[in-house]
Amino acid sequence: QSVLTQPPSASGTPGQRVTISCSGSSSNIGSNYVYWYQQVPGTAPKLLIYRDSQRPSGVPDRFSGSRSGTSASLAISGLRSEDEAEYHCAAWDDSLSGPRFGGGTKLTVL
Amino acid sequence: QLVESGGGLVQPGGSLRLSCATSELTISDNYMNWVRQAPGKGLEWVSIIYSSGDTHYADSVKGRFTISRDNSKNTLFLQMNSLRADDTAVYYCARGNWNLLGDYWGQGTLVTVSS
Repeated sequence: QSVLTQPPSASGTPGQRVTISCSGSSSNIGSNYVYWYQQVPGTAPKLLIYRDSQRPSGVPDRFSGSRSGTSASLAISGLRSEDEAEYHCAAWDDSLSGPRFGGGTKLTVL
Repeated sequence: QLVESGGGLVQPGGSLRLSCATSELTISDNYMNWVRQAPGKGLEWVSIIYSSGDTHYADSVKGRFTISRDNSKNTLFLQMNSLRADDTAVYYCARGNWNLLGDYWGQGTLVTVSS
């Protein structure tokens, strides 16, 4: 099972703000950057947030990330139908010498 | 753009070699990972090769999988031996390390282990 814990599902209506949590431990989120990926079914993950809160070029500022202690969260404001996707968090794990991923959160736009 | 190939159907106990080729970055200058996703499941890190050549593996594949690269062909590989049913997944190659993870991903290649 995943070491980073995410809720399996989240939902919201268009225009709403939703947040997705990601909980880890001192060896991963507690000491390393958090990353968020958006994955539409049948496609590869796409980097959404890097180094806790940075957005790659082209990612709307409706998406924001934060980290505190051993937890992190992704916030999506002004929810749109095209935001419906699976969202994955990840953080390097010092005990693994590699990244840990969360189990993914399926976001539904009602 | 990373392009994986080599997936397919293999019997339990069999072997497969995956490839990840690119013309957009130099594999040997980067930290390169294999990440897999079982059907309906989340992402799982499999292995990494550092630019230095050091390698690391998830416990679930240690001793069975080997990551390597061919600098002359700018290609990353994953040799998978002693395959089991729970290795069934889409396998992605992805660039990154602790400082920047997953800015480049391949499209994935499906590995199915079944008799």
